[in-house]
Amino acid sequence: QSLLTQPPSVSGAPGQTVTISCTGSSSSIGAGYDVHWYQQLPGTAPKLLIYSNTYSHTNRPSGVPDRFSASKSGTSASLAITGLQAEDEAVYYCHSYDSALSGSEVFGGGTKLTVL
Amino acid sequence: QITLRESGPTLVKRTQTLTLTCSISGFSLSSGGVAVGWFRQPPGKALEWLALIYWDDEKRYSPSLKTRLTITKDTARNQVVLTLTNMDPVDTATYYCAHRNSGYGHWGQGTLVTVSS
Repeated sequence: QSLLTQPPSVSGAPGQTVTISCTGSSSSIGAGYDVHWYQQLPGTAPKLLIYSNTYSHTNRPSGVPDRFSASKSGTSASLAITGLQAEDEAVYYCHSYDSALSGSEVFGGGTKLTVL
Repeated sequence: QITLRESGPTLVKRTQTLTLTCSISGFSLSSGGVAVGWFRQPPGKALEWLALIYWDDEKRYSPSLKTRLTITKDTARNQVVLTLTNMDPVDTATYYCAHRNSGYGHWGQGTLVTVSS
């Protein structure tokens, strides 16, 4: 059972915008901890898509297009993908930290994005 | 260039102990702020975080597996080792190690471990 809750699946047509939510708690996202996002293509290792650092500024590693963006509010975070492309079809995971679990890292259960 | 590579047995028997090695290059396990984590992913299922070790030897474990996991590092050999005791078929998964800075920015290719009953 994941401690960050994501929808199992989302879908959108090419060119559209989709958002993926990630709901935590007052001891994880709500406590102000960083939230990071990963993309996993079939048969490959996860890839860091967006990371946050000091003062919760979000950043994209080199090579990640600016069609990907992230935000956070309260106990939840969101990943937005604009101008959807077929190559974006993948599973997306959110990642944070939970102080109620002895300093445990927590991940969402993953969201499968289907490009229609 | 940061790289990580997992190695270990591809098949273990139920009740045995799994030992996996993550060989790293492009960074030092003794550099401030460095951490290496382990993950696993059963076939067709979600990613699961297992453990994390920092440059100063601080360790963190998944609460649900804490009693079965041990993570250590050998700075001189540039390796991070994960052991998981009392293996069961439900532990069949691809196991990954990854470099942590702000998020896990570099991953190994993963190694599939199958547990036979």
